[in-house]
Amino acid sequence: EVQLVESGGGLVQPGGSLRLSCAASGFTFSSYWMHWVRQAPGKGLVWVSRIRPDGSTTNYADSVKGRFTISRDNAKNTLYLQMNSLRAEDTAVFYCARGQANGASYFDYWGQGILVTVSS
Amino acid sequence: DIQMTQSPSTLSASVGDRVTITCRASQSISSWLAWYQQKPGKAPKLLIYKASSLESGVPSRFSGSGSGTEFTLTISSLQPDDFATYYCQQYHTDATFGQGTKVEIK
Repeated sequence: EVQLVESGGGLVQPGGSLRLSCAASGFTFSSYWMHWVRQAPGKGLVWVSRIRPDGSTTNYADSVKGRFTISRDNAKNTLYLQMNSLRAEDTAVFYCARGQANGASYFDYWGQGILVTVSS
Repeated sequence: DIQMTQSPSTLSASVGDRVTITCRASQSISSWLAWYQQKPGKAPKLLIYKASSLESGVPSRFSGSGSGTEFTLTISSLQPDDFATYYCQQYHTDATFGQGTKVEIK
């Protein structure tokens, strides 16, 4: 059974940093593109970032470029999102999601989501 | 950036109704479109990919159509479990979601 479990969320002050983790199981993690998607309270879904199976290529939404860094450890079957210079507008539930092995960026499995709150 | 626009934003319907949600892309995305269902407090669930391909395990009352810039999600006979918010998402260039369509009980 495919499982994605996020951790590392919480309350952080504006300008602060946080690192999210997503532990994957039930599939060959190293074969799939992985993504982060976020959802502000009461709002819609917004794609944040993606990473190639071997970690060699990453892409970001303009709203987080230069502040967030996606990475992965295929030996640990874990996806990460390092978030720096956090702003109030980054407050959201963050989901890790599995893309496709062929690179298509639609998401067939999602984690349960983890809340990040940026507030003083 | 490719913008995705869904209509309507809210839809009131009854059990058994045929429901159609429209999604328009700001430029051609071929058939690189997915549909998701999301219930409150839950992660989204993939329903349709490549505009019309039904994800494994999704009931056949869900169907998708379209290509280019115009797409539709149809629920042939609305069931109680289908009251939720639906999102379209393009994956022609990066990924962009529509703003969502809430299907509520009439």
